[in-house]
Amino acid sequence: EAGVTQSPTHLIKTRGQQATLRCSPISGHTSVYWYQQALGLGLQFLLWYDEGEERNRGNFPPRFSGRQFPNYSSELNVNALELEDSALYLCASSLVPVRGFVGQPQHFGDGTRLSIL
Amino acid sequence: LAKTTQPISMDSYEGQEVNITCSHNNIATNDYITWYQQFPSQGPRFIIQGYKTKVTNEVASLFIPADRKSSTLSLPRVSLSDTAVYYCLVGATTGGGADGLTFGKGTHLIIQP
Repeated sequence: EAGVTQSPTHLIKTRGQQATLRCSPISGHTSVYWYQQALGLGLQFLLWYDEGEERNRGNFPPRFSGRQFPNYSSELNVNALELEDSALYLCASSLVPVRGFVGQPQHFGDGTRLSIL
Repeated sequence: LAKTTQPISMDSYEGQEVNITCSHNNIATNDYITWYQQFPSQGPRFIIQGYKTKVTNEVASLFIPADRKSSTLSLPRVSLSDTAVYYCLVGATTGGGADGLTFGKGTHLIIQP
């Protein structure tokens, strides 16, 4: 079974540019989560998509956005890049959460390393 | 507001049993407790999940007391390859915001020969 795949592995941008990160979930998983992990920090929750809809959003500005496609793959877009956006961006997928709670184990990709110069 | 509290770091030696405790005083009725392991430059890997009492799989055990305000991940006979960061995650209800999806900084476990 193929795991969660993310592309690109590394991405270098300059301030003010826009970045697009991509994620393919495990087959059969409908939920996709995005996290930011800056150096020395824990994983900060960004976005959660399920069945094509945004289900929850972390404490990030609107220039962080995304979408989920009909095949459940997902994109994370970051506009107007700032130096502090440099981080490892992780995508995870899970089976659809049981109604009423978020408890399904998440399966992570190995991330996209975004560097802002 | 962080939902979980873990030690920042722990040291142990090969062959020892390691216990990492996570405090989650505000755990909700529907919350599950999940532990993940992360190596440098990799995504976290699921280790174990539980709701109450004890859960055991091929790599770890999870102990949860009756009040569920804490949990302990137990790694039997650790090896050097168990050196990693371990995260405790408490699942929130879908109406409770994104708190349950915040991993925090985890516990950096260092295993020495």
